[in-house]
Amino acid sequence: NAGVTQTPKFQVLKTGQSMTLQCAQDMNHNSMYWYRQDPGMGLRLIYYSASEGTTDKGEVPNGYNVSRLNKREFSLRLESAAPSQTSVYFCASRQTSGTGHSGNTIYFGEGSWLTVV
Amino acid sequence: DAKTTQPPSMDCAEGRAANLPCNHSTISGNEYVYWYRQIHSQGPQYIIHGLKNNETNEMASLIITEDRKSSTLILPHATLRDTAVYYCIVRGPPGSARQLTFGSGTQLTVLP
Repeated sequence: NAGVTQTPKFQVLKTGQSMTLQCAQDMNHNSMYWYRQDPGMGLRLIYYSASEGTTDKGEVPNGYNVSRLNKREFSLRLESAAPSQTSVYFCASRQTSGTGHSGNTIYFGEGSWLTVV
Repeated sequence: DAKTTQPPSMDCAEGRAANLPCNHSTISGNEYVYWYRQIHSQGPQYIIHGLKNNETNEMASLIITEDRKSSTLILPHATLRDTAVYYCIVRGPPGSARQLTFGSGTQLTVLP
């Protein structure tokens, strides 16, 4: 059971370049999330998708776009990368039904380290 | 979601109990308290959650005050591998699609 898989794990971009971070989960979860974490900071939500076909902005959506391709996949795109987007990006998923542990636990990927120079 | 306040850092001796406090004075009646931790360079990991009763699982215990304005996460016998940032989050009931918001958390360092 792979859980939440993110690619790539490391990427260096030049300012102005574009790229897409891919995320897939194999747990049949409804909700998926993209967070960023800057050094010494907590996680900040970029975008989330409560269910297939829907996406919503989080705290820091500027400079990003997302696509919920299907129930499994949720991608994050940087159209024109900026040095301020240098960060670690985490994808996460969660089942949004049920009231017990399984209805609450959010599962995170291993992170994608992005450097924009 | 209610805002939470945690100390930025704490130390604990290995083998002793680690008690991590969290204030959430604006918590509303249907909001739960959740705890996650993040070991360096990894994604956050769920620990425990509760509404108003104290909870215990294989990882930790959660003590919520009677007025629900604060809580304490207890790691009964801390090990070096428990060194991590611990996040206290207050949000709606399990199953809600609402987003999870993480604050800065508490950096717990377990000392040998």
